[in-house]
Amino acid sequence: KAGVTQTPRYLIKTRGQQVTLSCSPISGHRSVSWYQQTPGQGLQFLFEYFSETQRNKGNFPGRFSGRQFSNSRSEMNVSTLELGDSALYLCASSRRDSSYEETQYFGPGTRLLVL
Amino acid sequence: GQQVMQIPQYQHVQEGEDFTTYCNSSTTLSNIQWYKQRPGGHPVFLIQLVKSGEVKKQKRLTFQFGEAKKNSSLHITATQTTDVGTYFCAGQDGMNRDDKIIFGKGTRLHILP
Repeated sequence: KAGVTQTPRYLIKTRGQQVTLSCSPISGHRSVSWYQQTPGQGLQFLFEYFSETQRNKGNFPGRFSGRQFSNSRSEMNVSTLELGDSALYLCASSRRDSSYEETQYFGPGTRLLVL
Repeated sequence: GQQVMQIPQYQHVQEGEDFTTYCNSSTTLSNIQWYKQRPGGHPVFLIQLVKSGEVKKQKRLTFQFGEAKKNSSLHITATQTTDVGTYFCAGQDGMNRDDKIIFGKGTRLHILP
């Protein structure tokens, strides 16, 4: 079956702009988590959506937001971009609804560069 | 909140030598997962450990979960160039199904030919 897809793969924006990233999970997966990956900070958890509801949230400012649609597809939005937002944004899908089925399947990521 | 510490941050080994990375949590984990990320790629799931003291093997890779379910290790025997990458552990923050998953910062493995 198809894996996790993310669009766009690459993005260049300028400070102050906003950006929306999209993630389509594996069919049947209801959980989508978003991570920011930078060389210095590793994988930092942004938030998780499960059945259209935000279930968990990391320690990021309110400029970072997300949502999930009824088909489990998720979008992440960053407003008022800052230089420090340049990173690889990864989304991961999982079932998260059965015993010990916690495996997260990552998409290829969106590489965002803020100038 | 919960922290998942991983050591070492970097490791250089000669091809054929063994390699071990350690993961320690400040709280008891319900389960732990290991992922590998090749340079330029995305994290790929390797294994999940659930039981106290559990040991699992995948060819040259051995994964252990501590008795107290607060630490874990990944050991690679006789490393090969294909083992290059960053290895992440990830633990679930709490005992509830809804709790978030926390990643360690990873151990980057370099293989010297």
